[in-house]
Amino acid sequence: DAKTTQPTSMDCAEGRAANLPCNHSTISGNEYVYWYRQIHSQGPQYIIHGLKNNETNEMASLIITEDRKSSTLILPHATLRDTAVYYCIVSMDTGRRALTFGSGTRLQVQP
Amino acid sequence: SQTIHQWPATLVQPVGSPLSLECTVEGTSNPNLYWYRQAAGRGLQLLFYSVGIGQISSEVPQNLSASRPQDRQFILSSKKLLLSDSGFYLCACGTGFVYGYTFGSGTRLTVV
Repeated sequence: DAKTTQPTSMDCAEGRAANLPCNHSTISGNEYVYWYRQIHSQGPQYIIHGLKNNETNEMASLIITEDRKSSTLILPHATLRDTAVYYCIVSMDTGRRALTFGSGTRLQVQP
Repeated sequence: SQTIHQWPATLVQPVGSPLSLECTVEGTSNPNLYWYRQAAGRGLQLLFYSVGIGQISSEVPQNLSASRPQDRQFILSSKKLLLSDSGFYLCACGTGFVYGYTFGSGTRLTVV
């Protein structure tokens, strides 16, 4: 699986959009970009995934650059409950392969 | 959608004692199952994964072992715990669809 690079930590004001970047310059054509988050003392939670096109669901939006070498997870209106560690993972298929979690970005939403 | 049950939620065990953590899955069949460990303030480390009954792959050499006696049951064990076995243990399930893993709620193990 391709390696990813994320900032160690970020702050965001409550109610504002949180934009979490991820670099994956060695991504191959059949690898997806996945985002998970882990709230303190809980198991990681799937957020969103994408291959080429931008994606949106009820939790977040995922913007993938045209060359697919980087992506941004957007939480449109961050709340205090969005404070968590966010992991960007690149993998071909998470169902049959073991996911490798990096260090992630610790997002602190400030009141 | 699948649900993962893990127990116990917390566990305090003395050094040298045995360990058995159980994970069961509902809502799917023939899943891939995984055990991860997270030491305090650290990332998730993959310990074991299983693609079927009796099939276990170990990612790192350690004091732990895993077994899968039934399709939806995954057990993490140790004969003699070490202090370094302390951590947050998570079971995860993957079903082959590109929707990611489902994780259990975890077991926080403290070896004293």
